[in-house]
Amino acid sequence: GENVEQHPSTLSVQEGDSAVIKCTYSDSASNYFPWYKQELGKRPQLIIDIRSNVGEKKDQRIAVTLNKTAKHFSLHITETQPEDSAVYFCAASKGGYSTLTFGKGTMLLVSP
Amino acid sequence: EPEVTQTPSHQVTQMGQEVILRCVPISNHLYFYWYRQILGQKVEFLVSFYNNEISEKSEIFDDQFSVERPDGSNFTLKIRSTKLEDSAMYFCASSYGQGPYEQYFGPGTRLTVT
Repeated sequence: GENVEQHPSTLSVQEGDSAVIKCTYSDSASNYFPWYKQELGKRPQLIIDIRSNVGEKKDQRIAVTLNKTAKHFSLHITETQPEDSAVYFCAASKGGYSTLTFGKGTMLLVSP
Repeated sequence: EPEVTQTPSHQVTQMGQEVILRCVPISNHLYFYWYRQILGQKVEFLVSFYNNEISEKSEIFDDQFSVERPDGSNFTLKIRSTKLEDSAMYFCASSYGQGPYEQYFGPGTRLTVT
């Protein structure tokens, strides 16, 4: 089955810095890659996603890049703010019934 | 904005007891899912459900688990004889269509088995 690896497990940055979280996947048939943000005790919330026919997608301070050949995708957050502090999960799916396989998560800490 | 809802928010049960976790997916969604998250760990897929039947299940989803859509709005996860290791946060999710559609998660039910 699909295996998703995520790095780093924790990431500490100063407010205003950029943060990058990287994921790799194993199944070349995967074609959908969402990123979820989970604040403590809350539900995972979809923040951005990318499909395999696209190499990059941006939404304000957040961007995701996908390299299908290398089977990796990354989340980029620019101008980080303290409210960006949370655990971020990447996931991969092969479409169909869209079962998501999650990475282990990255705890992002943004210090003021 | 429509949201997935779940009840109860926290369930405490004794080992060996049966529990039913309830979810109300977003009304026009057709695909429903259960995931679980053991404290401090990643989210793990349990089961997906479409057209009143299971479409996919993971190794975790063994005979002690079952799902049901008893009416037009609710989607339930039953754990027949709970074990200590079933303690986790259980998330329901729903999506509109087949293929790479966004999945929206409910707030979760924290299950504690004592």
